[in-house]
Amino acid sequence: SSELTQDPAVSVALGQIVRITCQGDSLRYYYASWHQQKPGQAPLVVIYDTTHRPSGIPDRFSGSSSGDTASLTITGAQAEDEAAYFCKSRDSSGNHLVFGGGTHLTVL
Amino acid sequence: EVQLVESGGGLVQPGGSVRLSCAASGFNYSNYWMSWVRQAPGKGLEWVANIDPEEREEYYVDSVEDRFTISRDNAKNSLYLQMNSLRAEDTAVYFCARLRGGFDIDYWGQGTLVAVSS
Repeated sequence: SSELTQDPAVSVALGQIVRITCQGDSLRYYYASWHQQKPGQAPLVVIYDTTHRPSGIPDRFSGSSSGDTASLTITGAQAEDEAAYFCKSRDSSGNHLVFGGGTHLTVL
Repeated sequence: EVQLVESGGGLVQPGGSVRLSCAASGFNYSNYWMSWVRQAPGKGLEWVANIDPEEREEYYVDSVEDRFTISRDNAKNSLYLQMNSLRAEDTAVYFCARLRGGFDIDYWGQGTLVAVSS
């Protein structure tokens, strides 16, 4: 299967920990990345190669993977983290990109 | 600083054509795979097409195969998407993106809106 499944919405209290997950068979073989998108803006990479954080991304963002599930964890969620988060990987051919449906994070 | 700037979007009639452009700067463009990704209004991200640095490999999502063509001009640091036989369901913001090793996106453009309507 080339699908990536995400929960549509997740909420977290300000300053608490939240984990956003992405499930799909291709995650057993290919890296995941995570892309943050705020309304009216282009996406922004927050995690690449499953666990790596680009320069300029706060260290409260971290990534992990186990089996067919990749996770994005925000440790100490801030109000500015409220956004949609999309996971991305490849399909079984390795040549096509695949996105999850996105998770909208609400910071309470 | 890496910059990707899309242009060419607008209102197009069903069955019509449009060519999107993406101007790249701030990096050695001819060394990178590039991609187009789209987002329909209120929806998620959908990958559209990839192209290798030397234009020898192209890949497309099934829904645009035989209608869209991705291309590039390394001398002009530009990426293109020729879109033919447009349908209402092609209405979306189209983003240009740079691929790093492993087909991971590391930079996004700001996007250009294509609206297909009569």
